[in-house]
Amino acid sequence: KAGVTQTPRYLIKTRGQQVTLSCSPISGHRSVSWYQQTPGQGLQFLFEYFSETQRNKGNFPGRFSGRQFSNSRSEMNVSTLELGDSALYLCASSGTAGNTEAFFGQGTRLTVV
Amino acid sequence: AQSVTQPDIHITVSEGASLELRCNYSYGATPYLFWYVQSPGQGLQLLLKYFSGDTLVQGIKGFEAEFKRSQSSFNLRKPSVHWSDAAEYFCAVESGGSNYKLTFGKGTLLTVNP
Repeated sequence: KAGVTQTPRYLIKTRGQQVTLSCSPISGHRSVSWYQQTPGQGLQFLFEYFSETQRNKGNFPGRFSGRQFSNSRSEMNVSTLELGDSALYLCASSGTAGNTEAFFGQGTRLTVV
Repeated sequence: AQSVTQPDIHITVSEGASLELRCNYSYGATPYLFWYVQSPGQGLQLLLKYFSGDTLVQGIKGFEAEFKRSQSSFNLRKPSVHWSDAAEYFCAVESGGSNYKLTFGKGTLLTVNP
């Protein structure tokens, strides 16, 4: 069974640009959540999608957005990139909407210059 | 709001020694608790989970954790550490339902000396 796949693995962007990250969950999983990991703030919850609906959102500015498609694949978008957006972005999928373990992808390393 | 505290930022142990990583949580209801491990530049791998029932849970790679409600703790243990266990370890608590998310501690970096 394939795991959670995140693409691309690495990205370098310039301040002010926008970026789209992709996540393909484990087959059959309907919940996808996103996390930002930085050395200073650690792992922080961005948002969670279940059956194409955003059900929960973390404390991030509106520049961070996402969506989920009917096949459960998810994308997150960051507009008007800032240097502080440099981070490892992790996607996790789970089989149901909570109360089960989340499986993480390898992450996308975003560097903003 | 839920929170997780991992008091030890960095722990160094010798190979073959026992290990205990501490985790304290704050959560209003029955907690769902997890330990994850992360190698440099990699994603998170689930070591073990606690949902309910037996308070001593077994995980992969010889790890175990004990849930103590009275102490709001979920400490991770391993009787004999291997060099390959060197990594960063994260404790997490899950809030379920429509407010689903994982709240993580800041992590404990484990160094293993030969």
